[in-house]
Amino acid sequence: DQQVKQNSPSLSVQEGRISILNCDYTNSMFDYFLWYKKYPAEGPTFLISISSIKDKNEDGRFTVFLNKSAKHLSLHIVPSQPGDSAVYFCAANSGGSNYKLTFGKGTLLTVNP
Amino acid sequence: KAGVTQTPRYLIKTRGQQVTLSCSPISGHRSVSWYQQTPGQGLQFLFEYFSETQRNKGNFPGRFSGRQFSNSRSEMNVSTLELGDSALYLCASSLAGTGYNEQFFGPGTRLTVL
Repeated sequence: DQQVKQNSPSLSVQEGRISILNCDYTNSMFDYFLWYKKYPAEGPTFLISISSIKDKNEDGRFTVFLNKSAKHLSLHIVPSQPGDSAVYFCAANSGGSNYKLTFGKGTLLTVNP
Repeated sequence: KAGVTQTPRYLIKTRGQQVTLSCSPISGHRSVSWYQQTPGQGLQFLFEYFSETQRNKGNFPGRFSGRQFSNSRSEMNVSTLELGDSALYLCASSLAGTGYNEQFFGPGTRLTVL
């Protein structure tokens, strides 16, 4: 039972354009969501997070949107750069004393120059 | 500030052997979590330690175990290795308190079981 789903295995965009990565979840107990970026042979790098009391969080070129009623979140990268090419993971947990992150399977983003 | 470090980076073992992986968290971080990444299953939670106590555990067999030391460094052990244990093992550290803190990952240990 996959509680966090990233339905697009890959996404290709042009440099300078917007990249939109999507994530759906099924567990209504999840109330804290994170995005990670991963390059081959490296560990995931934290990008941005959002708690369920918000519907948007911004950090530079990265914005995460949360739609609780739809159990959907998205990561927007504007403008996209070739160095953004990596696998992006969506993760969720139920906060509190629960440190277990449940990850999606990832989306490979390719930004073409 | 130094990031999360994991040793060794690569390991090759044979079936039936056991292996111990080590993780040093970011200075000041008291929570250490372990994850297994495989192509088929993705990133899966193994367990989490805080103040030398296991607080959370994932759905892995008892062959997978861990511990945390008083300096927050952590080790995980896999006994009686199976071919399916071949994976990237990732350690992540986090500030104590609540789960509303981001976890910072190390580079991982690539384990190959032959």
